[in-house]
Amino acid sequence: ETGVTQTPRHLVMGMTNKKSLKCEQHLGHNAMYWYKQSAKKPLELMFVYSLEERVENNSVPSRFSPECPNSSHLFLHLHTLQPEDSALYLCASSQGPTGVTEAFFGQGTRLTVV
Amino acid sequence: DAKTTQPPSMDCAEGRAANLPCNHSTISGNEYVYWYRQIHSQGPQYIIHGLKNNETNEMASLIITEDRKSSTLILPHATLRDTAVYYCIVRAYAGGTSYGKLTFGQGTILTVHP
Repeated sequence: ETGVTQTPRHLVMGMTNKKSLKCEQHLGHNAMYWYKQSAKKPLELMFVYSLEERVENNSVPSRFSPECPNSSHLFLHLHTLQPEDSALYLCASSQGPTGVTEAFFGQGTRLTVV
Repeated sequence: DAKTTQPPSMDCAEGRAANLPCNHSTISGNEYVYWYRQIHSQGPQYIIHGLKNNETNEMASLIITEDRKSSTLILPHATLRDTAVYYCIVRAYAGGTSYGKLTFGQGTILTVHP
C-alpha cells in the first residue's frame, strides 16, 4: 500500500464509450501525475499537476482529458479511444515542486479498448 | 535530465547479493540518482536515491562513484520477490518546472532464481 489508490483496477471499454479513471492520494502531496505504460515500452509521462494546476501536457491526444479538483484527487476522462490506447495507466504523487522527494505510484488501471 | 544506461537483464541466485549497474556519464552536478522497481503489472516502487554519498536503507544500498558517472544498486540478500524491472533514473532538483516527474528508460529485468 503506497497511499495512492487508483480505481478501477481493470477497465474494458468500447471505442465510443466515455469513462473516467480515478486516483486518490492521502499523503499530503501537492503534485500528481498520469503515466501511460504500453506493452514492452517504458512509462510515458502524460500530465503533471502541481497545486491543482496543470503544468505539463506531453502532447497527449485530446481524447484524454485530465481533471484535478483538489490536491488529493486526480481524474483521467476518456472518450472515443482507440485500440492502441490499451495500456496500464499509472497515477503518482509527490511533494513537489520544491524539494527532492520520491514519487509514489498507484497500482494502475489496466485499460483495454475494444 | 541526464540519460542512463542499464543492462537489459540480469540473473541472481536467491540469498545472494544482486548488484545492478547504471551508467550516467552526462550527469550534472544538481542531478540525483533514483532507483525504482516495478514488479509485473504493478506500479513502480521507490527504492532509494542519492546525490554523491553512498546511501543505505531497509531495502537496498546505493553506491555512487566518486566522479558520479555510474552507480550500483545492491540488494544484499535477494529473494524471489525481488524479481522485477529495476529503473535507474537521473533527475534534477525538483524546482522550477521539473517538479517530481520521472523519465523512465527500459530498465534492467532482474530475475532471482532458487
